[in-house]
Amino acid sequence: ETGVTQTPRHLVMGMTNKKSLKCEQHLGHNAMYWYKQSAKKPLELMFVYNFKEQTENNSVPSRFSPECPNSSHLFLHLHTLQPEDSALYLCASSQDKPTGTDTQYFGPGTRLTVL
Amino acid sequence: AQSVAQPEDQVNVAEGNPLTVKCTYSVSGNPYLFWYVQYPNRGLQFLLKYITGDNLVKGSYGFEAEFNKSQTSFHLKKPSALVSDSALYFCAVRVSRNSGNTPLVFGKGTRLSVIA
Repeated sequence: ETGVTQTPRHLVMGMTNKKSLKCEQHLGHNAMYWYKQSAKKPLELMFVYNFKEQTENNSVPSRFSPECPNSSHLFLHLHTLQPEDSALYLCASSQDKPTGTDTQYFGPGTRLTVL
Repeated sequence: AQSVAQPEDQVNVAEGNPLTVKCTYSVSGNPYLFWYVQYPNRGLQFLLKYITGDNLVKGSYGFEAEFNKSQTSFHLKKPSALVSDSALYFCAVRVSRNSGNTPLVFGKGTRLSVIA
């Protein structure tokens, strides 16, 4: 898991707060992802960045705002969240290939609780 | 659209016995199949994947999976379970692509409990 790191590991915030999640990958990959993992639900892909360009936004509410300043760093800016946004947020990276055979490697996640 | 099903929420097995965690998929095209494991308070760890070639794929920690095209399945197996294998297991599928980006679609997970 040291290949992909996430901070903080735990975050508690009120609905009016603004916070950011950080992800860093040390694998030399060119693609990074944000996933949401809620209890009893499959992993939900939120955003995909390929060579710093956002290539996918899965109808995610605007209260989640991603930022990818370079291929190694990915942020998820949070503001005016709702209690139902409480979940484990996972970052992943891969060496994206045109064939789609790349493997995604995940960070340990940030456990977010919205009060 | 592609999808993956893990029909069992929970699998219980005695230590030393063989284990199987089931996965079936639905894609239009050639599938790429993955297994991941998640331990408590951790991210997903890659176990193995099938891309092409030999239907039996060997992965980390003694796990293997068999790709069965006719049954559209990719079950995860291990000959002898360990208590430390207790975790949440995810199957995922992606369809091979000619252009564009297709997402990795995950099943809802199967919780494996290995009892000593």
